[in-house]
Amino acid sequence: DAKTTQPNSMESNEEEPVHLPCNHSTISGTDYIHWYRQLPSQGPEYVIHGLTSNVNNRMASLAIAEDRKSSTLILHRATLRDAAVYYCILRGNSNSGYALNFGKGTSLLVTP
Amino acid sequence: NAGVTQTPKFQVLKTGQSMTLQCAQDMNHNSMYWYRQDPGMGLRLIYYSASEGTTDKGEVPNGYNVSRLNKREFSLRLESAAPSQTSVYFCASSEAGGFTDTQYFGPGTRLTVL
Repeated sequence: DAKTTQPNSMESNEEEPVHLPCNHSTISGTDYIHWYRQLPSQGPEYVIHGLTSNVNNRMASLAIAEDRKSSTLILHRATLRDAAVYYCILRGNSNSGYALNFGKGTSLLVTP
Repeated sequence: NAGVTQTPKFQVLKTGQSMTLQCAQDMNHNSMYWYRQDPGMGLRLIYYSASEGTTDKGEVPNGYNVSRLNKREFSLRLESAAPSQTSVYFCASSEAGGFTDTQYFGPGTRLTVL
């Protein structure tokens, strides 16, 4: 299975942009890059996903490297409510189609 | 819409007791999932149901059984609880289970086995 690597933790100031990196050097051509986050004491929630092109939605932006071996989740203005664990997950032929393979993710701390 | 609901929210069991965790979704989704999350870890898939009438094992199925009661409901049963099953259990659902599919999660059931 293709694997992802994320930093254990990151810290940001409120109202500043946050760039959360993810490395996936063994990604296959059919693998989509998904991001989920888990707020404290809650279930995970979907953030964004993409295949090759950069993607934007109301929550975040996803920047995908040209060779697809890495990606970055961008929160444009962090709020205290964005403090969560962020998971970068590959979904495609190199992984089970049904399971979301959560690793340990990146724990984001947002300070006022 | 309530989304994905789970009952109970908390449960304490003694070793050897049995219980069923209930999950329901009101989004008319075809696929449903049960995950467990141990402290400081990511979620791991226990069982899933790709569509009504089908169930399949995930990464950690030992000690569990599931029933896809109908399209809305997917239950997880612990026949003889063990302390190793102390965890937070999350149910999720998705439209079709494909590579671009989004999974929607319930609030979780916190289970302690003494």
